[in-house]
Amino acid sequence: EVQLQQSGPELIKPGASVKMSCKASGYTFTSYVLYWVKQKPGQGLEWIGYINPYNDDTKYNKKFKGKATLTSYKSSSTAFLELSSLTSDDSAVYFCAKGTARATGWFVYWGQGTLVTVSA
Amino acid sequence: DIQMTQSPASLSASVGETVTITCRASENIYSYLAWYQQKQGKSPQLLVYNAKTLAEGVPSRFSGSRSGTQFSLKINSLQPEDFGIYYCQHHYDTPWTFGGGTKVEI
Repeated sequence: EVQLQQSGPELIKPGASVKMSCKASGYTFTSYVLYWVKQKPGQGLEWIGYINPYNDDTKYNKKFKGKATLTSYKSSSTAFLELSSLTSDDSAVYFCAKGTARATGWFVYWGQGTLVTVSA
Repeated sequence: DIQMTQSPASLSASVGETVTITCRASENIYSYLAWYQQKQGKSPQLLVYNAKTLAEGVPSRFSGSRSGTQFSLKINSLQPEDFGIYYCQHHYDTPWTFGGGTKVEI
């Protein structure tokens, strides 16, 4: 059974950074692209970027360049999203989602999400 | 960026009815469109990709179609578990973008 277990909620001060994780199980981690998506409270969805854990290739939505950094550790089947210079606009739920073998752009299976709250 | 416009923003329907949600792309995305269902407090679930291909495990009462830059998600014989917010998303070229969502109330 495919599972994407995301790390717990974060309360972060403005200007700081946060790094959240997405641990995959139930499939071969390096065979599928992993996407990240942002959802502000009560609002819609925004694609942040993706990483190919096989070769660590990444692609970002230009809106999130300089804000988001995607990494992965093959040994632990875990992907990470780091957000820097946090503001209130970064308060949101962040989802990781498993894709297909290629970056086809549809999100097959989603993690439960990590709530990030930016507040002094 | 390609803009995705969904309509209606919300609808209410009874069990057994047929419901259609539409999504219009601001430019030609061919058939590169996906649909998701999201329930309150949960993560989205993939329903359809490539405009009309049902994702694994999705009931056959769901169907997707395309006419030019307009796409539709049809739910035949609406079931109580079909409530939630439905989002379209193009997967033609990055950045992939989502529609604003359609809330379906039973």
